[in-house]
Amino acid sequence: GQSLEQPSEVTAVEGAIVQINCTYQTSGFYGLSWYQQHDGGAPTFLSYNALDGLEETGRFSSFLSRSDSYGYLLLQELQMKDSASYFCAVSNYKLSFGAGTTVTVRA
Amino acid sequence: SAVISQKPSRDICQRGTSLTIQCQVDSQVTMMFWYRQQPGQSLTLIATANQGSEATYESGFVIDKFPISRPNLTFSTLTVSNMSPEDSSIYLCSVALAGVGGELFFGEGSRLTVL
Repeated sequence: GQSLEQPSEVTAVEGAIVQINCTYQTSGFYGLSWYQQHDGGAPTFLSYNALDGLEETGRFSSFLSRSDSYGYLLLQELQMKDSASYFCAVSNYKLSFGAGTTVTVRA
Repeated sequence: SAVISQKPSRDICQRGTSLTIQCQVDSQVTMMFWYRQQPGQSLTLIATANQGSEATYESGFVIDKFPISRPNLTFSTLTVSNMSPEDSSIYLCSVALAGVGGELFFGEGSRLTVL
């Protein structure tokens, strides 16, 4: 099966940088994805890493180390609208999600 | 991208009844999935809906409890049968356009409360 670990919650102020770590155990690993979900909304895709290294998309970056079974999502220049839950997910033949990290951005 | 419509968006159901959730996609997709998300929790895959064949269920989920139909490449239904309060949850339809490793698009979910 799959198991993923990520922190349950993070609080930071506007303009700060937050890093959400994700460690995983799985068989048949294809890649690591990140999803954002605002309260009451649908999860939306943020990024996908199939290879080691850093992927940057605007204020958000995602990193993967396959040898360490580890990845992280970096949120820069935090804004109030970034307050949401963030899920890492590993893919083999299906997508399996971590428990989620609630990010709260304070003014 | 894909636009997914789910019905109903929410419902309150009585114990012992069944409810069917519909999922309509604006384009033809091969891979369609049904997830369950209890409030404040993670997303758990119920099954993969296969067009033209039976759905593939994950451990802990059975066809008698969660029958799924996939009559074509744009539509699927999930039925929650003989509901109990433990079935109170958000049920989400999702699709992949470019393989499992790529982006999943989600519907807005169907929030079921079982009394």
